[in-house]
Formats: sequence, structure tokens, C-alpha cells
Amino acid sequence: EVQLVESGGGLVQPGGSLRLSCAASGFTFSNYWMHWVRQAPGKGLVWVSRITNDGKTVFYADSVNGRFTISRDNAKNSLFLQMNRLRAEDTAVYYCARVGEGRAFDFWGQGTMVTVSS
Amino acid sequence: EIVMTQSPATLSVSPGERATLSCRASQTIGSDLAWYQQKPGQAPRLLIHTTSTRATGIPARFSGSGSGTEFTLTISTLQSEDFAVYYCQQYNNWLTFGGGTKVEIK
Repeated sequence: EVQLVESGGGLVQPGGSLRLSCAASGFTFSNYWMHWVRQAPGKGLVWVSRITNDGKTVFYADSVNGRFTISRDNAKNSLFLQMNRLRAEDTAVYYCARVGEGRAFDFWGQGTMVTVSS
Repeated sequence: EIVMTQSPATLSVSPGERATLSCRASQTIGSDLAWYQQKPGQAPRLLIHTTSTRATGIPARFSGSGSGTEFTLTISTLQSEDFAVYYCQQYNNWLTFGGGTKVEIK
């Protein structure tokens, strides 16, 4: 069974940092591109970042470029999102998602909540 | 950036009725469109990819159509478990989501 489990969320002050993790199981993690998507409370889905299966190519939304870093450890079946210089507008549930069927997101984690507030 | 516009924002439908949701892209995206369902407190679930292909395990009452810039998700006979928020997503040029359509019980 495919599973994606995020962790690392929490309450952080503006300007602070957090590192999110996504533990993958039930599939060959190293074969798949992965993404982070976020959802502010009561709002819609917003794409954050993408990484290729080998970790060599990454992309970011303009809103997080230069502050967030996506990475992965294929030996440990894990995806990461290092978030620096956090702002109030980064407050959201952060989901990791796998690119699968038809290049869409066929599996999602349950999400981890990040709250940026003083 | 390709902007995805969903309509209506809220759709009130009775169980057993048909629901038709629309999604418009600001520029052509070919068939690179997916639909997701999200229930409160849950992660999104993939329903449709490549405009009209149902994802694994998705019931036949869900169907997708369209091309270019105009797309539709149809739920033929609404079941109680189908009341949720639905998002379209394009993955032709970078990746963007629509704002969502909430399907609520009439």
C-alpha cells in the first residue's frame, strides 16, 4: 500500500525556520517525481515545489523561491522541505504528493500544519 | 502563469441528481488536466487525469471531458459521499490549481 506521511509542522515565529519531512512507503520512491502543495486555512490548493526522481532538478513557486529548499534521500525514502525566513502567509497545511497516473498527483500525504505567528 | 477558473464556486444539488462542474484555463493546456476531490480534514484524492481518464478505483459516475481551455467534470448520480470540494489542476505549463467548486446538499 502506498503511503506518504508528513511530519515536522508546528508553530514558528515570523523569520524562523522549519524542516518538513515526508516518509514514503509501498512503492519504489526513487522512480517518482515528488511535489509539495500547501493549503492555507479555508483556502484552495497552491503548488509549492517539485523535485525530479533523482533529485537533480528542482522548481519552486515564486512565492517561496529563495526561502524554501526541496530535497530528497532516496536511500531513506524521504522527501524534505526546508523552510526559512517564514512569513505569516506561509501558514498552511503542507502536503507531499507523488506524480503518478497521467502525470497527475495520484497519492497525497495527510498533511502537516505550519503556523507562522508571533 | 496559467490561471485556472472554476465555476460555479458553490453548486447545490440533491442526492441522485447530476452535477456539472466547469474549469477554464487562461491559455490552451491540451489534455493536461486533472480533477481532485477533497473532503473536510482530508487530503485531496485524484479522480480524473489527462482530462477524461478515471484514476484507479474511481467509480464510473465520475467523468471528465474537454480540451484546450474548457473542461468539465460530471458526476452522473450524486451519492452522499460525493459532497465535497472539487479542484481542477493543469500540468501542461508548470502547475496551477483552480479555486475549487464546493458541491453541497440542496
